[in-house]
Amino acid sequence: KAGVTQTPRYLIKTRGQQVTLSCSPISGHRSVSWYQQTPGQGLQFLFEYFSETQRNKGNFPGRFSGRQFSNSRSEMNVSTLELGDSALYLCASRTDKSPLEAFFGQGTRLTVV
Amino acid sequence: KQEVTQIPAALSVPEGENLVLNCSFTDSAIYNLQWFRQDPGKGLTSLLLIQSSQREQTSGRLNASLDKSSGRSTLYIAASQPGDSATYLCAVLVVNDMRFGAGTRLTVKP
Repeated sequence: KAGVTQTPRYLIKTRGQQVTLSCSPISGHRSVSWYQQTPGQGLQFLFEYFSETQRNKGNFPGRFSGRQFSNSRSEMNVSTLELGDSALYLCASRTDKSPLEAFFGQGTRLTVV
Repeated sequence: KQEVTQIPAALSVPEGENLVLNCSFTDSAIYNLQWFRQDPGKGLTSLLLIQSSQREQTSGRLNASLDKSSGRSTLYIAASQPGDSATYLCAVLVVNDMRFGAGTRLTVKP
């Protein structure tokens, strides 16, 4: 059974550019959540999608957006990149049945220069 | 607002020692609690999940306990090995949102 796949693994972007990250969940999982991890702030919740609908959202500016497709694959977009957006972006997929265990991908390391 | 705290922030032990990592949370209204391992620059690997109605879970040398009423969980690692060196994170699931602690960085010296 394939795990959670995130692409690309590494990205270098310039301030002001935009970026799109992709996450393919485990087959059968309809929930996909995105997290930002930085040394100073730890893991912070961005948003969660379930069956193509955003179900929950963290406290991030509107430059961070996402979507989910009918096959449950999800994309996260960050516009007008800032230096502080440099981070490891992690996505997690989860079943909608108990025990609701979360499985994480390997992450995308974004560096903004 | 749910706050998750992990103590200690870092721990260094000699190989073979048994150790306990602590996790506390402020709101007992959780669906479950998960312990994860993270190696540098990598994603999170799920170690153990305890549902809110359970008291403990075991997997190999790992044992996790949950006391929901006091807002505490512990991860016990028996006979530690250098390969156990990593950051250990606990997370609680609350209404479609997982809240994470800052992690405990564990170093096991040969």
